[in-house]
Amino acid sequence: EAQVTQNPRYLITVTGKKLTVTCSQNMNHEYMSWYRQDPGLGLRQIYYSMNVEVTDKGDVPEGYKVSRKEKRNFPLILESPSPNQTSLYFCASSSPYRTDTQYFGPGTRLTVL
Amino acid sequence: KQEVTQIPAALSVPEGENLVLNCSFTDSAIYNLQWFRQDPGKGLTSLLLIQSSQREQTSGRLNASLDKSSGRSTLYIAASQPGDSATYLCFTSGTYKYIFGTGTRLKVLA
Repeated sequence: EAQVTQNPRYLITVTGKKLTVTCSQNMNHEYMSWYRQDPGLGLRQIYYSMNVEVTDKGDVPEGYKVSRKEKRNFPLILESPSPNQTSLYFCASSSPYRTDTQYFGPGTRLTVL
Repeated sequence: KQEVTQIPAALSVPEGENLVLNCSFTDSAIYNLQWFRQDPGKGLTSLLLIQSSQREQTSGRLNASLDKSSGRSTLYIAASQPGDSATYLCFTSGTYKYIFGTGTRLKVLA
């Protein structure tokens, strides 16, 4: 089954403790991206990757890092999380043909105390 | 910069009504437009994808149209049901940029 998986699904952590949210897709997609969703602000793109070792900033990249060492994986790294990064995070993937649909993971709810 | 706005922001209707949800975007240079629904606290379910060269797509009681020249897309829901209650999001695909709309929160009353 074609899918995008994220782990963990729920995470409560404390300010400053480094964490990684993993994202994996089994569709051999080149394009992957991360979004965060906040009440009143909607869904906003954090980072995206067009292929292995190629990443770029989205609209709200501050406080986040990403890496794309393998095609199937696109982890989101918070080096020093702060309470303003409490949010619902979604990973997505698609083929490089921009006419194709985006597939979204189930979401990761992060709380930073 | 692409801005995507959805009107109305919230809508409450009795069961059985036909509904129209609107999505407006400022940059017509899009490759496609996708409609999603999101249940409270849940993930995103893809409903319809319209390519930039298409005018509309249909799936069951849902019909989505796209008018690139005017920067608008419409999601039509026929014979609404309480199970249709959710937030509906449009999503535009541009050159490496993907932008979500502001969302319409729909409540269908039994």
